[in-house]
Amino acid sequence: DAGVTQSPTHLIKTRGQQVTLRCSPKSGHDTVSWYQQALGQGPQFIFQYYEEEERQRGNFPDRFSGHQFPNYSSELNVNALLLGDSALYLCASSLVWGGANVLTFGAGSRLTVL
Amino acid sequence: AQSVTQLDSQVPVFEEAPVELRCNYSSSVSVYLFWYVQYPNQGLQLLLKYLSGSTLVESINGFEAEFNKSQTSFHLRKPSVHISDTAEYFCAVSQDNFNKFYFGSGTKLNVKP
Repeated sequence: DAGVTQSPTHLIKTRGQQVTLRCSPKSGHDTVSWYQQALGQGPQFIFQYYEEEERQRGNFPDRFSGHQFPNYSSELNVNALLLGDSALYLCASSLVWGGANVLTFGAGSRLTVL
Repeated sequence: AQSVTQLDSQVPVFEEAPVELRCNYSSSVSVYLFWYVQYPNQGLQLLLKYLSGSTLVESINGFEAEFNKSQTSFHLRKPSVHISDTAEYFCAVSQDNFNKFYFGSGTKLNVKP
């Protein structure tokens, strides 16, 4: 049973460019959340998708956007990249009515902005 | 918004010694509490969770954590650590059933032989 898979694992971009990160949730999960983990910090909540809609959003600018597809997979898009966007981006999936409030995390996509 | 404080950024300890990783949170309402572990170049893995019931929760690999509502703490303990426990540990809080988690800044546990 595959867990959460993310792609790409590593990527390098320059300031001003745009990036798309992809996530496939764990089998049976219907909710996808995205977190940003800067170096030396804990993960920070970006947003959550359920039923193809953004359900909650953290304190991130509109440059950060996302999408969820009918198969529950998700994309995170970041426009006009800044140096400060360099981080590990973690995708986590869960079951909205699972009751256990447990997130299953992927290994992350490490973005470096030069 | 919630805040989670992990007071120690790094904890060095010798193998087979006991360890406590501290976590405090700010909330006046009911919360769900978690500890996650992150090994190098990997995502976060759930170590243990408190949702309700007994305030002492245990993991399968010997860690335990105790929910203390009056002190708003959820410290993680292990009586005897192994080299393989070397990792970064994150305390997390969720306030609702919608899986929005607030994480602490992490504690790096370095177990030395």
